[in-house]
Amino acid sequence: GAVVSQHPSWVICKSGTSVKIECRSLDFQATTMFWYRQFPKQSLMLMATSNEGSKATYEQGVEKDKFLINHASLTLSTLTVTSAHPEDSSFYICSARPSTGPHYQPQHFGDGTRLSIL
Amino acid sequence: SQQGEEDPQALSIQEGENATMNCSYKTSINNLQWYRQNSGRGLVHLILIRSNEREKHSGRLRVTLDTSKKSSSLLITASRAADTASYFCATGGSHSGNTPLVFGKGTRLSVIA
Repeated sequence: GAVVSQHPSWVICKSGTSVKIECRSLDFQATTMFWYRQFPKQSLMLMATSNEGSKATYEQGVEKDKFLINHASLTLSTLTVTSAHPEDSSFYICSARPSTGPHYQPQHFGDGTRLSIL
Repeated sequence: SQQGEEDPQALSIQEGENATMNCSYKTSINNLQWYRQNSGRGLVHLILIRSNEREKHSGRLRVTLDTSKKSSSLLITASRAADTASYFCATGGSHSGNTPLVFGKGTRLSVIA
């Protein structure tokens, strides 16, 4: 089945550091990937839609200069948290689904990245 | 913003019992999906029900959809300790896959052995 790999799974770093998170579709191509953020015991909140070969679309309240998204190929999207601060600590999850195939296909999620900023 | 509201927010049952979770949504949909999330992990797709379907089964899972009430339910029969997880309904996925899902708040299910 379709697999989405997210790396790293866990990051602890000092305030002011920039952190890059990768999201790869391993056995399918995806023109669109999504980045979500999840706080403890809460639901997933969409941060941005990553579009291959073009600029990402950010949700209201999400700073594009803070959360840089690059979708340079049909199998890889990256989220870079720039100059991270403790309030950026959260669980970040990406998702994607094949760009081709049946109409009704589910999104496939990475295993998430737990980011802890000290 | 969140489309769906699940209830209950938390549910604790004994192994072997059935677990029912409900989801309500606000706008018209093409389909509704249920996902499961183990603690600290990503989401796993469980089942998708189209807007023209009323009920769907997959193993021990049964999903119903009532578009007139804008609600769905997920029933897990003969629950097991391994079913302990958070369960989310989601709407908004498009045919092309370029529309994000909007998740409900989720139900945290605890199955006690």
